[in-house]
Amino acid sequence: NAGVTQTPKFQVLKTGQSMTLQCAQDMNHEYMSWYRQDPGMGLRLIHYSVGAGITDQGEVPNGYNVSRSTTEDFPLRLLSAAPSQTSVYFCASSYLADQPQHFGDGTRLSIL
Amino acid sequence: TQLLEQSPQFLSIQEGENLTVYCNSSSVFSSLQWYRQEPGEGPVLLVTVVTGGEVKKLKRLTFQFGDARKDSSLHITAAQPGDTGLYLCAGAAVYSGGGADGLTFGKGTHLIIQP
Repeated sequence: NAGVTQTPKFQVLKTGQSMTLQCAQDMNHEYMSWYRQDPGMGLRLIHYSVGAGITDQGEVPNGYNVSRSTTEDFPLRLLSAAPSQTSVYFCASSYLADQPQHFGDGTRLSIL
Repeated sequence: TQLLEQSPQFLSIQEGENLTVYCNSSSVFSSLQWYRQEPGEGPVLLVTVVTGGEVKKLKRLTFQFGDARKDSSLHITAAQPGDTGLYLCAGAAVYSGGGADGLTFGKGTHLIIQP
C-alpha cells in the first residue's frame, strides 16, 4: 500500500520556468490538498479538492494551479516560478477535510 | 481565521527528562490532531482527541484535550533520542454551515533529545 506518492523528491528551477508537482494516492480518498512548509511559517494550505472535478483555493494560492480529473491524482502546477516559491511542498489526502491527513514525503523545490 | 499557537517553538533536553508542549487557541475545535515529522519526511499522525478533557496515551506520550476544546498538550515521559522531531498540532473547525477548509495547523515544536 503506497499511500500518498509525490514526485519528484527534489527539483531546481530557474526563475520563470514552469513545472508540475505530481501527487497520487491509492486510498480512494475524496479530499486532497497541497501545503507548502517554510521555516517559521508552518504548513500553509495552497489548494484543496473535495473530489474529482472540484478544486478551491487555500491560504496561499497565488502562482499555483491545480486540477483534479481523477480521484487518485492531484497535480500542482507552478506557472512561472519565482524565488519566493522555494519551499518544501507536501500533498495530503483524507476521506474528509477535517479527518487525519495522510502526507506524502514532500518535494523540495529551489528556484534560482 | 482560527489560529493555533504552539509552545515552545524549540526545545532541547537530555535523554530521560520529561517535557510538555502546548497547543493553544482562542477558538473551539471539534477535534485536535497531533503529528510528528522527521527530517525529509511528511508529518505522520500520532493521535486524535475529540472530547473535551480527553486523555490519550501512546506509550510514553500523553495527549490531553482541554475541557473547552480550545487547547491541548503533549507530555513525554523519559524522553529518548527517537522522540526527536517536529511536533505539529492541527485543529478541525466547528462549522456552522458547510466548508472544506480542512485543518488549521500550528507552526510546530522542534524537539531535540540529546543522548
